[in-house]
Amino acid sequence: DGGITQSPKYLFRKEGQNVTLSCEQNLNHDAMYWYRQDPGQGLRLIYYSQIVNDFQKGDIAEGYSVSREKKESFPLTVTSAQKNPTAFYLCASRSQPGQSLNNAEAFFGQGTRLTVV
Amino acid sequence: DAKTTQPPSMDCAEGRAANLPCNHSTISGNEYVYWYRQIHSQGPQYIIHGLKNNETNEMASLIITEDRKSSTLILPHATLRDTAVYYCIVREGYGGSQGNLIFGKGTKLSVKP
Repeated sequence: DGGITQSPKYLFRKEGQNVTLSCEQNLNHDAMYWYRQDPGQGLRLIYYSQIVNDFQKGDIAEGYSVSREKKESFPLTVTSAQKNPTAFYLCASRSQPGQSLNNAEAFFGQGTRLTVV
Repeated sequence: DAKTTQPPSMDCAEGRAANLPCNHSTISGNEYVYWYRQIHSQGPQYIIHGLKNNETNEMASLIITEDRKSSTLILPHATLRDTAVYYCIVREGYGGSQGNLIFGKGTKLSVKP
């Protein structure tokens, strides 16, 4: 079945370590997104990519890095520079912006809950 | 910043219609209204979207006022499984950063037996 998969579901990290969250989609979507969600809050955009080998900073990119070497994959690295990394991270994808709006909805993964210990 | 305003919480009796309001008074002519919902600790799920006309699908109906400054999501027969946070988002249908989804805090809908 087509979908978007995030792994792992739960992740623990020691303070000062980098960690990479995986996001894979087989929906043939061009655009992919990373959001962060803190308790009781909405989603905040970290990074987005509209095409392979290109990505842009969102509202809260500091302390994060991404790559988009393949259409299917958009991994997020939480670096040691991120001061408060404990959060719920969500990845999303959708068909190319500008194409038919019938396919304009975004599909989300089930999230990765990162805890710094 | 989110361009929408929603009540933080609402209750609804099981089997009754749930009407979730959203204000988007600064919406521009080429921005669509999208609704997503998020069940606890899961990724958001797309529900419906519209531009000017009212829309209906198997999940819900979307009523947009004539001036487009507000809308209402209607779940016609709410069930306990509809308990979730509902997000109303306005977004252009074009490329670039304007096409990104900007989430506010949403409305927490509690469906009660």
